[in-house]
Amino acid sequence: GQQLNQSPQSMFIQEGEDVSMNCTSSSIFNTWLWYKQEPGEGPVLLIALYKAGELTSNGRLTAQFGITRKDSFLNISASIPSDVGIYFCAGRAELYNNNDMRFGAGTRLTVKP
Amino acid sequence: EAQVTQNPRYLITVTGKKLTVTCSQNMNHEYMSWYRQDPGLGLRQIYYSMNVEVTDKGDVPEGYKVSRKEKRNFPLILESPSPNQTSLYFCASGPPGLGEQYFGPGTRLTVT
Repeated sequence: GQQLNQSPQSMFIQEGEDVSMNCTSSSIFNTWLWYKQEPGEGPVLLIALYKAGELTSNGRLTAQFGITRKDSFLNISASIPSDVGIYFCAGRAELYNNNDMRFGAGTRLTVKP
Repeated sequence: EAQVTQNPRYLITVTGKKLTVTCSQNMNHEYMSWYRQDPGLGLRQIYYSMNVEVTDKGDVPEGYKVSRKEKRNFPLILESPSPNQTSLYFCASGPPGLGEQYFGPGTRLTVT
């Protein structure tokens, strides 16, 4: 299956700082999703991207579908303590195939007040 | 409230004792899936179902069974659990086509 690399593995930042993380794939993807998982809970969908070049925001979060279709980025602006959690990217190569989704290993974000 | 529910949330059992983890969704989603999450390995798919009576293996199906007799339910069955099945398990569901999946709260299983 497709390889999906997510970086960085972890980040320790100060409250108020901006955060950036990314995912790259070994092949072209048609869908990119970003999830957040808080301790003791399941991943929650943050942003879904379906078109190369697409830039979508959800509050302080902004995600982009890379032009090459092999990468995606998630930015968090002005981080706050409740941003703490693990952020996962997910992507798929086959449009309309729910089951083709692959997940990154996650970026663990720690925000110091 | 639209949600995916799993039961139990926590389970400690012994090797070989059959167990079932239930999963139910109230969003009328056709697609449902089971994942296990282990440190450093991320989410790995166990089984999935595209619709009622349609199930198929994911990446790590060994030691697991599933069934999909109704659209809303997708139980995960461990016929003879072993310690290497100690993990955090998530059920997910999603509408057809979009790829979005909505996850349950997780079931932490320990097999001794």
